[in-house]
Parts: sequence; structure tokens; C-alpha cells
Amino acid sequence: NAGVTQTPKFRVLKTGQSMTLLCAQDMNHEYMYWYRQDPGMGLRLIHYSVGEGTTAKGEVPDGYNVSRLKKQNFLLGLESAAPSQTSVYFCASKGQRTQQFFGPGTRLTVL
Amino acid sequence: GEDVEQSLFLSVREGDSSVINCTYTDSSSTYLYWYKQEPGAGLQLLTYIFSNMDMKQDQRLTVLLNKKDKHLSLRIADTQTGDSAIYFCAEIITSGTYKYIFGTGTRLKVLA
Repeated sequence: NAGVTQTPKFRVLKTGQSMTLLCAQDMNHEYMYWYRQDPGMGLRLIHYSVGEGTTAKGEVPDGYNVSRLKKQNFLLGLESAAPSQTSVYFCASKGQRTQQFFGPGTRLTVL
Repeated sequence: GEDVEQSLFLSVREGDSSVINCTYTDSSSTYLYWYKQEPGAGLQLLTYIFSNMDMKQDQRLTVLLNKKDKHLSLRIADTQTGDSAIYFCAEIITSGTYKYIFGTGTRLKVLA
């Protein structure tokens, strides 16, 4: 099992550009989450999904969109990147137990 | 609202015990977690405690839970340089769905 994987690992964007971050899990988990991590602020929930075809807003959803067309994939989109979206993005999934499994992260810089 | 608080930094000498503290707000949390994040990596679950427990021990790790004060602590015995990392506590919110509230993280530095 690969667990939770994220692509890309690093990305640099210019303000106004768009991109999609991909999260994939091979554990057949229903729940998937996108977080951002900023210094001194811990992890903040952007969006989450409780199953294929469903998504919901988290704590800081503005400027992001998500899709869960397949159970194993959870995509995070930035339509028009802003410098405030410079961060490290983590994806996580949860199965029947309450434990979350995290991906290795994507480091995004918006210039 | 929901909030989880931790101190930002802790420095200890190798071989000493480390104690990382956390306070949370949601008294209905059924599980509380400790995660470890090494530089450039994702979060790795270290241990967790069910809300009806006061203490859980797992090798060098001891978790203490004081539900009355909504206080959680992680004690690492015989701290090693490999324990240097950021430690996050988290609580699970289960009303309606499963969401997790993370603390700000405590950066532990172990001095040789």
C-alpha cells in the first residue's frame, strides 16, 4: 500500500495562475481532507469529503475548490493563485477508525 | 468555538523527559491525538487516547488526560535527538461528521 500520496511535491506559481493538487489514497477510505499549514498556525481545514461525489467547506475554503469524482482521489484547485496561498498543503484520509493518515505534503509558493 | 492550544517551543537535553501540553475546548471529543511532524514530512500519528481514559502508556510515551480541565499532555521519557520535531495535538469533532481540530504545534528541540 502506498497510503496517501500527493502530487506535485513542490510548485511555484505566479499571481493569477491556476493549478490543481492531486491527492490519492489506496486504503478505500471514505473521508478525505485538505489542510494548509502555516507557521505558528497549525493545520487549518480547507475542504473535506465524506464520500465519492460529496464535498464540504472547512475552516478556510475561500479561493479553493475541490472535487471527489473517484473515491480514491481528492483534488484541490486554485483558480487564481494569490501570495496569501503560499503554504504547505496536506491531504489526509480516514477509514472506519478515527485515525487520519497524512500525505507527505505539497509546498506551494505564489509569487 | 473549537480551539486547541499549545506552547510553540520546548527545548530539553538529551536523556531528560519532555512534557508537551495541550488544552482543548470541545468536551464531547471522543478521541484526542498526538502527531509528530519531522522536517519536510507529513504528520505521523504517535498515539491517541480515548476520552474515558486518564492515562495511556506506550513505550517511552505517556499521555495524560484531564477531562475536567480539558488538558492533554504528552511525556517523552529519555528524549533522544531523533525526537526533535513538531508535535501536534488534535481533537476529533464528531457532531454531524468527522472533523479534526489541530493545535498550533510545539517545536521540540533536543540538545545533545
